[in-house]
Amino acid sequence: DTGVSQDPRHKITKRGQNVTFRCDPISEHNRLYWYRQTLGQGPEFLTYFQNEAQLEKSRLLSDRFSAERPKGSFSTLEIQRTEQGDSAMYLCASSSRQGPWEQYFGPGTRLTVT
Amino acid sequence: GENVEQHPSTLSVQEGDSAVIKCTYSDSASNYFPWYKQELGKRPQLIIDIRSNVGEKKDQRIAVTLNKTAKHFSLHITETQPEDSAVYFCAASGGSEKLVFGKGMKLTVNP
Repeated sequence: DTGVSQDPRHKITKRGQNVTFRCDPISEHNRLYWYRQTLGQGPEFLTYFQNEAQLEKSRLLSDRFSAERPKGSFSTLEIQRTEQGDSAMYLCASSSRQGPWEQYFGPGTRLTVT
Repeated sequence: GENVEQHPSTLSVQEGDSAVIKCTYSDSASNYFPWYKQELGKRPQLIIDIRSNVGEKKDQRIAVTLNKTAKHFSLHITETQPEDSAVYFCAASGGSEKLVFGKGMKLTVNP
């Protein structure tokens, strides 16, 4: 499968714990995006990278959230001190050209905070 | 910032009928309008997109139209089939590369 992949697919954690998600984009894509989707809503933009540079962050991305793409390939999204409101599907997408351009989504990581 | 409104929120049609989903956007600088289909538990899948220099685009049974003056765009699905049942999202993007999504429309195609 040469599409966008995400790991893990599901994560259950207790409130206050830290979690980290990984996204592997389509290999030739230099742009990588993180979105969050809650039930009954469309995806909401969190942040995006061009190669290793983080170029835009949403105000939704509080200081408990941090994202990295250290070598311009895979990316990680970390949530510290999780809260129940963080429960959502975290989607990653990638794109090959300077945008706006087609963004292809991964299967997502479903986070449940208990 | 950009705001995308999508309606209706649900639509039920008989197999073979047409379905139309409408979206409006607020930022006149937006110039890229993709449509995504999301089946239950699956990833959003890009099905068609349109740019602001084009008024209409077709791909087999689906078509998208754009009215820049009125700031609205629509998805048309003809000869609907049960496998078209899903949630459809419109989105818009302008000076930023981020996509701003509507809330989605659940389409049910009854056999």
